Amino acid sequence: KQEVTQIPAALSVPEGENLVLNCSFTDSAIYNLQWFRQDPGKGLTSLLLIQSSQREQTSGRLNASLDKSSGRSTLYIAASQPGDSATYLCAVNAGGTSYGKLTFGQGTILTVHP
Amino acid sequence: NAGVMQNPRHLVRRRGQEARLRCSPMKGHSHVYWYRQLPEEGLKFMVYLQKENIIDESGMPKERFSAEFPKEGPSILRIQQVVRGDSAAYFCASSRQGARSTDTQYFGPGTRLTVL
Repeated sequence: KQEVTQIPAALSVPEGENLVLNCSFTDSAIYNLQWFRQDPGKGLTSLLLIQSSQREQTSGRLNASLDKSSGRSTLYIAASQPGDSATYLCAVNAGGTSYGKLTFGQGTILTVHP
Repeated sequence: NAGVMQNPRHLVRRRGQEARLRCSPMKGHSHVYWYRQLPEEGLKFMVYLQKENIIDESGMPKERFSAEFPKEGPSILRIQQVVRGDSAAYFCASSRQGARSTDTQYFGPGTRLTVL
């Protein structure tokens, strides 16, 4: 059974800092991995999707890496801003007989203070 | 192009009543996924549907819960005889191609169900 863990559970940083969020998964046989952002009381916004054959994806100040063999992904946020404050979720699509089913981590609550 | 629409956004039911949650996927998307977020817990997969077909319902509770995605109209998640433990945020997502594709899943704003 696939399990996804995110560390840290919460993070508070001053504006301008670069930061790293971590995601680990127990079964390395994944199809793809996504990072999402969730704002309080709102839905999820997809940030980056990495296919199993890729090692990283970049979008603006965000960079996500994937090391499938070790079961790890990191989300790097450069020059953080107060508007980045949200819960960040990592989700794995295991493929195979479980395709269509995203398995989510518990999330990292990020607070960026001015 | 409107995003995934869910209604109602908030739903209050008394124990024993029925709850109907609706999801309209993005235009051109024929694959729908339902997830549940219980208080203090992460998002859990419930069911994956394609038009008129249930592809994977491995996350659906065996009783009281059902889902459909008819040829015309929105996808419906139906909860019969609700109990307090059903109180949660229910999210719908859609994708253009099937889950084996490179497509991302686009999420709606969710329906927050409160059972009194």
